[in-house]
Amino acid sequence: AQSVTQLDSHVSVSEGTPVLLRCNYSSSYSPSLFWYVQHPNKGLQLLLKYTSAATLVKGINGFEAEFKKSETSFHLTKPSAHMSDAAEYFCVVSDSGGSYIPTFGRGTSLIVHP
Amino acid sequence: DGGITQSPKYLFRKEGQNVTLSCEQNLNHDAMYWYRQDPGQGLRLIYYSQIVNDFQKGDIAEGYSVSREKKESFPLTVTSAQKNPTAFYLCASSAQVAAEKLFFGSGTQLSVL
Repeated sequence: AQSVTQLDSHVSVSEGTPVLLRCNYSSSYSPSLFWYVQHPNKGLQLLLKYTSAATLVKGINGFEAEFKKSETSFHLTKPSAHMSDAAEYFCVVSDSGGSYIPTFGRGTSLIVHP
Repeated sequence: DGGITQSPKYLFRKEGQNVTLSCEQNLNHDAMYWYRQDPGQGLRLIYYSQIVNDFQKGDIAEGYSVSREKKESFPLTVTSAQKNPTAFYLCASSAQVAAEKLFFGSGTQLSVL
């Protein structure tokens, strides 16, 4: 069965420093992987997606993620954090073994200090 | 303006009462989903529907029921059998189940009186 593990429940950074949100996945098939962001009192928005094309995926707002099959990881990064990046981030996996139904991780809360 | 509309934004349930959460989409999407969000637990799938008049249980379907009589509508009923209903409920849709992107509504916060 597909699953995803977000390794940190909270990540705290200073504005202008790099962001790293870690995600490991489990899938017996060729997975599709996604990162979604949820700002306070707002709906979820897709940041980026990997669907077996280029392993380095660029998303919105300067975020990117790299698919590493050997490490079963899909970590989210950003070179320089902005105050507006403070939000909840979800890693999501989907594959044919799970009938393509998206499975969400528990979320990582990103805190950005001035 | 296309999107997903959830109502109400806040809902209160009394003991033994069934309540229904509304979800409507005008994106012409085939697939619709209901997720429950609790702090620290991410989003857990309650039910999903790939096509009109068909739906499947997700990971935590007990105490919930759904219907899909129209393509654009996927209401969720929280029954009295659901003993811990307080949560944030999110409805989503996608063009197909195997589609790449989920579109989300703004959610309903359900609380027990």
